[in-house]
Amino acid sequence: KAGVTQTPRYLIKTRGQQVTLSCSPISGHRSVSWYQQTPGQGLQFLFEYFSETQRNKGNFPGRFSGRQFSNSRSEMNVSTLELGDSALYLCASSEPSSYNEQFFGPGTRLTVL
Amino acid sequence: AQKITQTQPGMFVQEKEAVTLDCTYDTSDPSYGLFWYKQPSSGEMIFLIYQGSYDQQNATEGRYSLNFQKARKSANLVISASQLGDSAMYFCAMREAGKLIFGQGTELSVKP
Repeated sequence: KAGVTQTPRYLIKTRGQQVTLSCSPISGHRSVSWYQQTPGQGLQFLFEYFSETQRNKGNFPGRFSGRQFSNSRSEMNVSTLELGDSALYLCASSEPSSYNEQFFGPGTRLTVL
Repeated sequence: AQKITQTQPGMFVQEKEAVTLDCTYDTSDPSYGLFWYKQPSSGEMIFLIYQGSYDQQNATEGRYSLNFQKARKSANLVISASQLGDSAMYFCAMREAGKLIFGQGTELSVKP
């Protein structure tokens, strides 16, 4: 099976712009979660999508949003970028019946200038 | 309060020796899962091992084993026969309410 893929791998934006990141889960996995990793805050949960519905949401401002498509691919969007949004964004896929499996993609490294 | 605590920011181990990375957790939920991930400098989180709260035996995956002490709320990762390629950040995580809560990580350096 192919692993979790994320595009793009690297991204440079300026303050005030918006950005969309994409995640394709492992085939057969219907749950996709997003995490933000920064040196200061570590790894923090953003949100989880299952069957096109947001099931869980972390403590992030409304500028962070996401969606999931019928093929389980997910996108996250960050609007009005701030310098502090510079981070590695990771997505993980799992099948809720097998919560012992949570596999991550390679991440998208976002730099906001 | 920290839900996942990794008290060792950095550790060194000699190649071919065993090393234990510490992790303690805090939860009142009787059903939970504990994970260990490895993150090399490339950034990808690599799943190593999983332990469910109801599992009677400690989890093992090749050179990785999890020393699960439920009463102490600890889930230490043991890496046997360390290799140079084991040098990386290691994160302990707990699944709670559908999300993973991570510790701050331990940077492991394997010396030749």
